[in-house]
Amino acid sequence: EVQLVESGGGLVQPGGSLRLSCAASGFTFSNHAMSWVRQAPGKGLDWVSGIGGSGDNTYYADSVKGRFTISRDNSKNMQYLQMNSLRAEDTAVYYCATRDGSYWGQGTLVTVSS
Amino acid sequence: DIVMTQSPDFLAVSLGERATINCKSSQSVLYSSNNKNYLAWYQQKPGQPPKLLIYWASTRESGVPDRFSGSGSGTDFTLTINSLQAEDVAVYYCQQYYSTLSYTFGQGTKLEIK
Repeated sequence: EVQLVESGGGLVQPGGSLRLSCAASGFTFSNHAMSWVRQAPGKGLDWVSGIGGSGDNTYYADSVKGRFTISRDNSKNMQYLQMNSLRAEDTAVYYCATRDGSYWGQGTLVTVSS
Repeated sequence: DIVMTQSPDFLAVSLGERATINCKSSQSVLYSSNNKNYLAWYQQKPGQPPKLLIYWASTRESGVPDRFSGSGSGTDFTLTINSLQAEDVAVYYCQQYYSTLSYTFGQGTKLEIK
């Protein structure tokens, strides 16, 4: 059974940092490009970042470029999102997903507030 | 970025009737070399992550009931739900994956029972 489990969310002050993790199982992780997608409370889906299977190619939404860094460790079947210089508008549930959209985690909530 | 615009924002349909949701992209998502439209549809129920329904604009994901169908090409797409069931109440999103730099979503269409 495919599983994607996010962790690392929480409450952080504006300007702070968080690192989200996504543990993958049930499929050949290195064969799959991955994404992070977020959803602010009561709002729609917002694609944040993507990474190729080998980790060589990374992509970012303009709203997070220069502040967020996506990475992966195929030896550990893990994906990460390092989030720096956080803003109130980054408050959202962050989902880990395969880039083709077939599989999604349950999400982890990030709240940016003083 | 490619902008995805859905219509309507809200839709109420009687049980057993047909629901139609439209999605328009700001530029074509048809890749001429393989004649595929890089367009997906998702269903999201409250408290759940999105679920992939349709990819390549018209290919149903495994396990998705055949009352769900996708159509369209280029910049204009439609998700049709025939014989609406109570469990189809959800928010529906289209997403383009033509631009590898940014996989943008539509704003969502909330479907309810009339």
